[in-house]
Amino acid sequence: EAQVTQNPRYLITVTGKKLTVTCSQNMNHEYMSWYRQDPGLGLRQIYYSMNVEVTDKGDVPEGYKVSRKEKRNFPLILESPSPNQTSLYFCASSRSPGQSNEKLFFGSGTQLSVL
Amino acid sequence: GEDVEQSLFLSVREGDSSVINCTYTDSSSTYLYWYKQEPGAGLQLLTYIFSNMDMKQDQRLTVLLNKKDKHLSLRIADTQTGDSAIYFCAESRSGGYNKLIFGAGTRLAVHP
Repeated sequence: EAQVTQNPRYLITVTGKKLTVTCSQNMNHEYMSWYRQDPGLGLRQIYYSMNVEVTDKGDVPEGYKVSRKEKRNFPLILESPSPNQTSLYFCASSRSPGQSNEKLFFGSGTQLSVL
Repeated sequence: GEDVEQSLFLSVREGDSSVINCTYTDSSSTYLYWYKQEPGAGLQLLTYIFSNMDMKQDQRLTVLLNKKDKHLSLRIADTQTGDSAIYFCAESRSGGYNKLIFGAGTRLAVHP
């Protein structure tokens, strides 16, 4: 089954404790992206990757890191989480970023709480 | 600005039509999308419309685009309880890659 898999589904942590949210897709997609969803703000893009070893900042990259060492994986790293990073996070992928009608596939989300 | 705006809530009776509205700002947007988010799930693409079209119909869904007013709407005919979800409007901006700008989402509640 074609899917985008994120782990964990829920995560509670404390300020300053490094964490990684994993994302994997099995569709051989070139493009992957991370979003955060906050009430009243919709989805905002954190980072994206056009292909292996190619990553770029989205609209809200501060406090986050990503890597794209393999095509299928795109982990999101919070080196020193802070309470304002409490949010619902979504990973998404698409076959190619070049076509404007390319469908984005979303993971089920990771609800992160930073105390 | 970059805003895509939607009303936050809509309540309809089962069997009635729902109309969810959206306004966007970038006249150069090539595609406009409607995504659906059910509780505890990610977003699923419902439908999209190319910017040179003014209407698209897909079973119970009708998308209307008024490019002059930068207004997009999603009409759901014969709304069912399974349609209860958050609906996101999104516009695509060209310029290297397909960047999607999302609205805040409209929560649709369907009651008997």
